[in-house]
Amino acid sequence: DQQVKQNSPSLSVQEGRISILNCDYTNSMFDYFLWYKKYPAEGPTFLISISSIKDKNEDGRFTVFLNKSAKHLSLHIVPSQPGDSAVYFCAASALGDMRFGAGTRLTVKP
Amino acid sequence: NAGVTQTPKFRILKIGQSMTLQCTQDMNHNYMYWYRQDPGMGLKLIYYSVGAGITDKGEVPNGYNVSRSTTEDFPLRLELAAPSQTSVYFCASSYSRAEPEAFFGQGTRLTVV
Repeated sequence: DQQVKQNSPSLSVQEGRISILNCDYTNSMFDYFLWYKKYPAEGPTFLISISSIKDKNEDGRFTVFLNKSAKHLSLHIVPSQPGDSAVYFCAASALGDMRFGAGTRLTVKP
Repeated sequence: NAGVTQTPKFRILKIGQSMTLQCTQDMNHNYMYWYRQDPGMGLKLIYYSVGAGITDKGEVPNGYNVSRSTTEDFPLRLELAAPSQTSVYFCASSYSRAEPEAFFGQGTRLTVV
C-alpha cells in the first residue's frame, strides 16, 4: 500500500519563479512530515520538516505547508535557482516508521 | 564525525548467494532504517529499528533480515539472493521520534545475476 504519494513525476520552472511540489498521504498516524533532496549516486539529504501540530514551517527559501484535513503537504521554493534541480522526496513518519513518496524531479531553467 | 557509513559500495551476487550489507553510524542516533530504491522509483522501507534490540518490518521485508545488537550498527542480511533484489540500498539514521530528520549513507548498489 502506497501511504505517501507524489503524483507529479517531474516539474520544470524558470529561475526566479516559485516551485511547488505536492505530496499526499493516507495514514492518519503520521506525526512528522519531511522533504528530502536527492542527487544521482548520492543518498537523500534532509531539507525541511513539519510536525503534525503545525501548518507551516519556513527555512530560508523553503516553506512546507501541511493541510491535515486534506492529508496533503506541499513544498514551496522561492525563488527557484538552477542549483535546486534534483529529485525531491516527501516522507512521513509515525513511531519510527518513515515512508517515502516516489519523488518529483525538479528542473530549474536559467 | 563520519555520519552513516555503508559498506560495500558495489556488489555483484549470484542467484542463491547470501551477503550482509553493513551500516554504522556515529551520531548516537536511536532510529535506524534500511531502504531500497529501484530504478526510477522511490525509497521502499525494508526494516527499521527504534533502538538496540528492537526491529520492525517495513513495506518490503521479504528476503531480508536485520539485527540491532548495538546503537551504532544495523546490518542487513540477504539470504538466497534473487534478481528481484537488484537495487540500490540505503541505510539511514535519525535521533528520535521527535527529531525524525534522517541522515543517509551513500548507498550500496547490488546486482544479482
